[in-house]
Amino acid sequence: AQKITQTQPGMFVQEKEAVTLDCTYDTSDQSYGLFWYKQPSSGEMIFLIYQGSYDEQNATEGRYSLNFQKARKSANLVISASQLGDSAMYFCAMREGLEKSDGGSQGNLIFGKGTKLSVKP
Amino acid sequence: GAGVSQSPSNKVTEKGKDVELRCDPISGHTALYWYRQSLGQGLEFLIYFQGNSAPDKSGLPSDRFSAERTGGSVSTLTIQRTQQEDSAVYLCASSPARGLYGYTFGSGTRLTVV
Repeated sequence: AQKITQTQPGMFVQEKEAVTLDCTYDTSDQSYGLFWYKQPSSGEMIFLIYQGSYDEQNATEGRYSLNFQKARKSANLVISASQLGDSAMYFCAMREGLEKSDGGSQGNLIFGKGTKLSVKP
Repeated sequence: GAGVSQSPSNKVTEKGKDVELRCDPISGHTALYWYRQSLGQGLEFLIYFQGNSAPDKSGLPSDRFSAERTGGSVSTLTIQRTQQEDSAVYLCASSPARGLYGYTFGSGTRLTVV
């Protein structure tokens, strides 16, 4: 079974609108971390946002927020006020194991297959 | 350096040849990761180094793949007897021991096996 599922291969959004990118995960660990990365056409991987399983508050970073629903095992990324520069691949990832409250844990990330977001002017 | 540096940025090799890919992590980062990204796919974990501990090699797809990290810094990923299915972008990332939520990735090496 896939550990990280991103069901939307591609998404379109109008500039200045909000968009939600879906991510569900599968783990039996009680402690884990969830990440979102952006990959523009240049290929670099850009860290966007992190959510620890211990954290009951949804993470926010500027225009990015993570809608964390632990019981449903979902960690959707919400981008508000989309900009043309948001057009890119977006990857959800999970790190299993003991997650420290300062986010300072290590371990390999398990990535989903990604969602290609296209922002229309 | 300021970021994670990978070399070469592009490599074309003939099937059956060996290749070496290099990763120079951010200075002071104790953890180093190798991932592979095939065209249009997500990232596949290959191997993880953490300080002086034995590396986690659980993601290496075959014994043709190996990696080492010398002096806790630079890492080399070696693919022996390359096959066409090895064609992908190989990404390296590093992180410090504590206090970082996300990992810093390099720009990758695009490997093409012909």
